[in-house]
Order: sequence, then C-alpha cells, then structure tokens
Amino acid sequence: SAVISQKPSRDICQRGTSLTIQCQVDSQVTMMFWYRQQPGQSLTLIATANQGSEATYESGFVIDKFPISRPNLTFSTLTVSNMSPEDSSIYLCSVDKGAGELFFGEGSRLTVL
Amino acid sequence: DQQVKQNSPSLSVQEGRISILNCDYTNSMFDYFLWYKKYPAEGPTFLISISSIKDKNEDGRFTVFLNKSAKHLSLHIVPSQPGDSAVYFCAATYSGTYKYIFGTGTRLKVLA
Repeated sequence: SAVISQKPSRDICQRGTSLTIQCQVDSQVTMMFWYRQQPGQSLTLIATANQGSEATYESGFVIDKFPISRPNLTFSTLTVSNMSPEDSSIYLCSVDKGAGELFFGEGSRLTVL
Repeated sequence: DQQVKQNSPSLSVQEGRISILNCDYTNSMFDYFLWYKKYPAEGPTFLISISSIKDKNEDGRFTVFLNKSAKHLSLHIVPSQPGDSAVYFCAATYSGTYKYIFGTGTRLKVLA
C-alpha cells in the first residue's frame, strides 16, 4: 500500500490566480499521476510525473495550464494556473506501486470564484 | 468517448440485502478491471479487481463478475451494510499501459 498526503485539502481561489497542490508519498515511487474529478464526472488523468523528466500530459491538458514538478521519488506538485470557475474540481494525486492498482491521496477540492 | 460507463448514478438498498453495481466498457483491449470506493472528503480506495482471464473474483462480502462477451462487469455486495454507503467507481486498463479509465461513479446508499 501507500500513504499519500495532499495539501491543501481544499481552497477557495479567485479567478486569474494560481494554486499549487503538493503530494507527498511515504515511499519511493517511479510514477506519480495527477487526476481531476469535475463535479459529477469521472476521474480524468491530467498527466504522469516521472522523476528526472518532464511530465507527460494527456489530451486536453497542457503544461502552461498545469505545470508539474517532480523533484524526487516521493514528492510532486501540480499548479493550476490562471484559474477560472471551470477549474473548480477535486484534484487527486495517485501512485502505482506495481501491483496493478492505484493508490490515491485524499484529494484537493478547489473552488474558483 | 466514454470508454467506461456506469449508467446508474445512484442506488439505494436496504441493509442486509444485496447491492449490485454495474459497469460497461467499450474497449476490447481492456484486460484488467478494478472497483474503487470513495467516501466524501477522501480519495478513492481500492476495493477489488479482476483480470480478463477470470469471470469472477471474490473477497469477503464483495464479488466482481466479468462478462467479456457483453463487455460488462458488476460488483455485488452481500450483505450490504450502512458503512458501504459511498460512491463506487469502476476502472479499466490494459497491459503495457499505465492509464486507468474510470467510470462516472454510482452513489450507493444503504438504508438501515
């Protein structure tokens, strides 16, 4: 298993600002993933963060909007830039420990006014 | 294109009865399927999985059935308990990829 801590757990932000979400894992992992869950929607993969290389973004997500850092094997950040109300979502960090299942953090609920 | 679908957004069941949550998929390449449970203000937690080489996997009160020809899987919870009240997501993936495709979730409410 894996213990994943995310900060902040929730925040209310103003339009046009940026917010950085932190994800800390209790063990070293190769791949970390960032998901988004918009209200009433499924979990959608934003990007995959590998240590030592640039993140790989899924279709519909770009680095300028969602810059990601992965400075070491236990930590990653996701920034939501120039926020609009459409960015109001739960953002989830997850890891794959190699057993074929994902482990998730508790999520960061973002509300953009 | 929604490759994994959960057509029932909500389900209510009496305590002690069976809960059946359904999931359909469209991609024939999927060979591994998972169910996650999510409580409010928490991240999803893994519940049970099944490989495409099987048609059933059981873990205590939870059983997942896979019908490959129909591209359908279901999660059975017997007996249902109030603590099972949560949102359940099915997810699918295939060998050689790290990507998991999730359904939109079904909110289960178990009534005491």
